[in-house]
Amino acid sequence: GENVEQHPSTLSVQEGDSAVIKCTYSDSASNYFPWYKQELGKRPQLIIDIRSNVGEKKDQRIAVTLNKTAKHFSLHITETQPEDSAVYFCAAPGQAGTALIFGKGTTLSVSS
Amino acid sequence: GAVVSQHPSWVICKSGTSVKIECRSLDFQATTMFWYRQFPKKSLMLMATSNEGSKATYEQGVEKDKFLINHASLTLSTLTVTSAHPEDSSFYICSARPRTGLEKLFFGSGTQLSVL
Repeated sequence: GENVEQHPSTLSVQEGDSAVIKCTYSDSASNYFPWYKQELGKRPQLIIDIRSNVGEKKDQRIAVTLNKTAKHFSLHITETQPEDSAVYFCAAPGQAGTALIFGKGTTLSVSS
Repeated sequence: GAVVSQHPSWVICKSGTSVKIECRSLDFQATTMFWYRQFPKKSLMLMATSNEGSKATYEQGVEKDKFLINHASLTLSTLTVTSAHPEDSSFYICSARPRTGLEKLFFGSGTQLSVL
C-alpha cells in the first residue's frame, strides 16, 4: 500500500519568511496530493491540492509542486504570518477511490 | 457545500461502557466514509472504510468487534466504541467523499473521547 513520508516534523520561521514542507510517496499510481492544515483540537482543513497532470499549483501565498518521477511533492508558504502556525499534513490516496494516507505532520511555528 | 457533521464533539465515559459517534454528510451523498483516529501530536491513522449498505473494511490491527461501524444510509455512518478502555481515549474523526468520485475528502469536526 501507499506510504507517505513527511519532513521536517517541526519548522520554526520568522514572520515574513518562507516555509517549505516536503513529502514523498511510494505508489507511482497515486494521482492526487492534498495538503491539510490542522489547528489544535480542530478538523483538518484542505488548503491546496494537486493532481498528477500538473507540476505546480498556486493559491495566493501557498503553492504545491509535484515531481512524479521522483515521487515527491512540496508545500511552499511565502510571507508567513503568525496565523499560519499549525500542523500541516500531506496525503496521498491509498488506492483509487479509497481513503487518504497521511504523512506524520509538520508543526509550523511562525514567530513575530 | 460539502459539510460533514460529527457528534458528539467530546464525550467522557466510564471504562466498560459503549460510546456511539455519528457522522453525517449534510449536503451531499457519500457512498464511502472513513474513520480516523488521532492521538495527541500524532497523525491521522485510518481505522476503517465504511461503505453504504455493506460491511466496513478495517485496517490491520483495528478490532472490528470493538469498533462497530454502521453505514445505513448515504448520509450517515456511525462508529460505536464498545467496552471502552482508557487506551481507547483519542480524537476520532470521520471523513466523507461525495458520490462524484473525486478524491477530495471532507472531514467532520472530530470527537474527543476520554475513558476514565
